[in-house]
Amino acid sequence: ETGVTQSPTHLIKTRGQQVTLRCSSQSGHNTVSWYQQALGQGPQFIFQYYREEENGRGNFPPRFSGLQFPNYSSELNVNALELDDSALYLCASSWQGEDQPQHFGDGTRLSIL
Amino acid sequence: GENVEQHPSTLSVQEGDSAVIKCTYSDSASNYFPWYKQELGKGPQLIIDIRSNVGEKKDQRIAVTLNKTAKHFSLHITETQPEDSAVYFCAASRVGGSYIPTFGRGTSLIVHP
Repeated sequence: ETGVTQSPTHLIKTRGQQVTLRCSSQSGHNTVSWYQQALGQGPQFIFQYYREEENGRGNFPPRFSGLQFPNYSSELNVNALELDDSALYLCASSWQGEDQPQHFGDGTRLSIL
Repeated sequence: GENVEQHPSTLSVQEGDSAVIKCTYSDSASNYFPWYKQELGKGPQLIIDIRSNVGEKKDQRIAVTLNKTAKHFSLHITETQPEDSAVYFCAASRVGGSYIPTFGRGTSLIVHP
């Protein structure tokens, strides 16, 4: 069973730039959720994708957007990067439609200079 | 929206002692309460979860209790070991509805050998 994998592991960007983060879900999972985790905080839910559609969104501005592909992998895109976007971005996969827990990847550490 | 409070923020115990971490939630519609362990440089790992139709669940040295009336749930770790040292997060969500999971701010557990 392949777990959740995220790429890249680390990334450095400057203010105003755009970034794309990638996630491959665990085999058998069709739902992907994205979280932002600031240092010393719990993960904050950004959004969830199920069957290539957004299925729930947290309190994040529209410059945070995503995609899910037919193979259930996903991308998180962030435009017009701000200093406060510096965080660990986590992806989690699960099987929607059942009461199943999420399995997290190890995240992408994004630093904004 | 949901609000999850987690206490304490830091917990220091001696090896072999028990550790208890408590969380409260605000949304009575929440029905799924997972607990995650996060080690340095890793993503959160699910260690145990409980659903609102159950009051207690145990898995070896780990147990979780849920009081729906008081809207609080707790993680109990018995016979702690140094490898239990990590940050623990509670979360609350409503499975089956608009899925927006909310995490607590985390508890740093330190087990001294």
